[in-house]
Amino acid sequence: KAGVTQTPRYLIKTRGQQVTLSCSPISGHRSVSWYQQTPGQGLQFLFEYFSETQRNKGNFPGRFSGRQFSNSRSEMNVSTLELGDSALYLCASSLVRSGGLSYNEQFFGPGTRLTVL
Amino acid sequence: DAKTTQPNSMESNEEEPVHLPCNHSTISGTDYIHWYRQLPSQGPEYVIHGLTSNVNNRMASLAIAEDRKSSTLILHRATLRDAAVYYCILRSIQGAQKLVFGQGTRLTINP
Repeated sequence: KAGVTQTPRYLIKTRGQQVTLSCSPISGHRSVSWYQQTPGQGLQFLFEYFSETQRNKGNFPGRFSGRQFSNSRSEMNVSTLELGDSALYLCASSLVRSGGLSYNEQFFGPGTRLTVL
Repeated sequence: DAKTTQPNSMESNEEEPVHLPCNHSTISGTDYIHWYRQLPSQGPEYVIHGLTSNVNNRMASLAIAEDRKSSTLILHRATLRDAAVYYCILRSIQGAQKLVFGQGTRLTINP
């Protein structure tokens, strides 16, 4: 079974631009979560989508947004990029039982390395 | 979210057992204890999880204290490939798919 894939793997943008990152979960996984990893703050939860609905959101400004499509693929968007948005953005998918509750493991992709100049 | 405390770093030798401790004194009854690790230049990967009883899988063992306020991840025979940052995370079965990562323990394996 193919793992979580993220595109692109590397991205360079300038301040003020916007960026869209893509994540394809493992087949059959309906939950997709996004995380930001920086040397200073470590791994921080951004948001989670399940069945095209955002279920949980971390403490990030509104410039960070996301969506999920009917095939469970997800995108996250960052508008008006700032230097501090330079980070590794990780996507994780999970098999969630009916009812939406699960303690199952999350499978992470390799991440997208975003550099903001 | 309940907090976990781990040592910043640990060092061990190849082919020896490694015991990685985690304190979680504010754990609630619905919190599962999860361990993930992040190898260099990779996304985190799941290692093991448990609720009350000790757990074993092909990667590691998880020993949970009787009062559940602490746990230990055991790598029975460390290899160089086990060098990574190990994260101990509490997840409520009632919660969403949100992992709250602390700083983790950076494990160094000496050949």
